[in-house]
Amino acid sequence: DGGITQSPKYLFRKEGQNVTLSCEQNLNHDAMYWYRQDPGQGLRLIYYSQIVNDFQKGDIAEGYSVSREKKESFPLTVTSAQKNPTAFYLCASSTGGRSWPQHFGDGTRLSIL
Amino acid sequence: KNEVEQSPQNLTAQEGEFITINCSYSVGISALHWLQQHPGGGIVSLFMLSSGKKKHGRLIATINIQEKHSSLHITASHPRDSAVYICAVRMVRGGSEKLVFGKGTKLTVNP
Repeated sequence: DGGITQSPKYLFRKEGQNVTLSCEQNLNHDAMYWYRQDPGQGLRLIYYSQIVNDFQKGDIAEGYSVSREKKESFPLTVTSAQKNPTAFYLCASSTGGRSWPQHFGDGTRLSIL
Repeated sequence: KNEVEQSPQNLTAQEGEFITINCSYSVGISALHWLQQHPGGGIVSLFMLSSGKKKHGRLIATINIQEKHSSLHITASHPRDSAVYICAVRMVRGGSEKLVFGKGTKLTVNP
């Protein structure tokens, strides 16, 4: 079955370390998105990519970086510059021409020790 | 003030009850989405609405564009309906279309 795979489910890192969250999709979707979810807040867009080798900043891109070298993959790196990285991160995708996600992954919960 | 407001924030019901979750927004939109977030964190898209009403199984979503309000109804609720229900609106912001999410309504259905 097609879908989005995020790994790992839970991730722990020491403060000051960069960490990369994986997102892979086999839906043949052109667009991919990264969202951050904090308790009591709505999802916020970090980065999105409408096509391979191109990506755009979302509303809260500071302290994060992405790459889109393959259509199937959109990894998110949380850098040491991100002041409060502990959160739940969701990856999503959609077919081309849309600006909103159609499918979501199961998320990665990142905790900074 | 948040652009998307959901109510109630938390809702507890007994199995079989009729459930209503509300979503209000403050600006003109092109469409509204209802999403379901499972306890494990994964999200499933339930409905996308730009007018009127949609039904899928026991779920019904309505939208009133003039009043800037949408409701999600669940008939004959079941414990497996326990989840966080999220409203999101598509609006033009900064020259491009954006999806703005509500904070979610946590529903617990007890057997």
